[in-house]
Amino acid sequence: GESVGLHLPTLSVQEGDNSIINCAYSNSASDYFIWYKQESGKGPQFIIDIRSNMDKRQGQRVTVLLNKTVKHLSLQIAATQPGDSAVYFCAEDSGGYQKVTFGTGTKLQVIP
Amino acid sequence: DTGVSQDPRHKITKRGQNVTFRCDPISEHNRLYWYRQTLGQGPEFLTYFQNEAQLEKSRLLSDRFSAERPKGSFSTLEIQRTEQGDSAMYLCASSQQGATTEAFFGQGTRLTVV
Repeated sequence: GESVGLHLPTLSVQEGDNSIINCAYSNSASDYFIWYKQESGKGPQFIIDIRSNMDKRQGQRVTVLLNKTVKHLSLQIAATQPGDSAVYFCAEDSGGYQKVTFGTGTKLQVIP
Repeated sequence: DTGVSQDPRHKITKRGQNVTFRCDPISEHNRLYWYRQTLGQGPEFLTYFQNEAQLEKSRLLSDRFSAERPKGSFSTLEIQRTEQGDSAMYLCASSQQGATTEAFFGQGTRLTVV
């Protein structure tokens, strides 16, 4: 079946450095790919999405790259800050009504 | 509006009891979703409403799970005859139909079945 997975369970980054979180997906029919951030004790928070017909999209301090050839998605966070410490989920939306399938998450730890 | 609100935040129940959770979405959002999240995992989609219509419920985990959104505003998720395996965080999210995938999540209801 379709799945969304992440390469690394934990990523430690020095404050001020750039972070790159990677994700592999298997459902080529997904319309959108989405990144969510989840802080401890809170619900997921939308960061950015990218439509399947795009290969790059930029937001505030974040960039998402989509490589459909190898079914790979990445989230780049520029100048990582302590407030970026959280679990990051990649997810895919293939249901048309925004039924979203989440991966298992990568924990980002920012070292001051 | 302060966002998606879920009640209660925590629920401890004995095995075999029924529980009901409430979700109040952002007022102008017509789409509402329920997810379940277990420790270390991503949220797992359960069901979806557009206004009062439940358009997808095939992912509800068993016939013990049911959800309603009677007036197209708040929603309830009920679990009957709870089992220890039902212990998890139950998340509600809402969104506005349109060209964005952005959904807004509540803080969840943590269920512990003892």
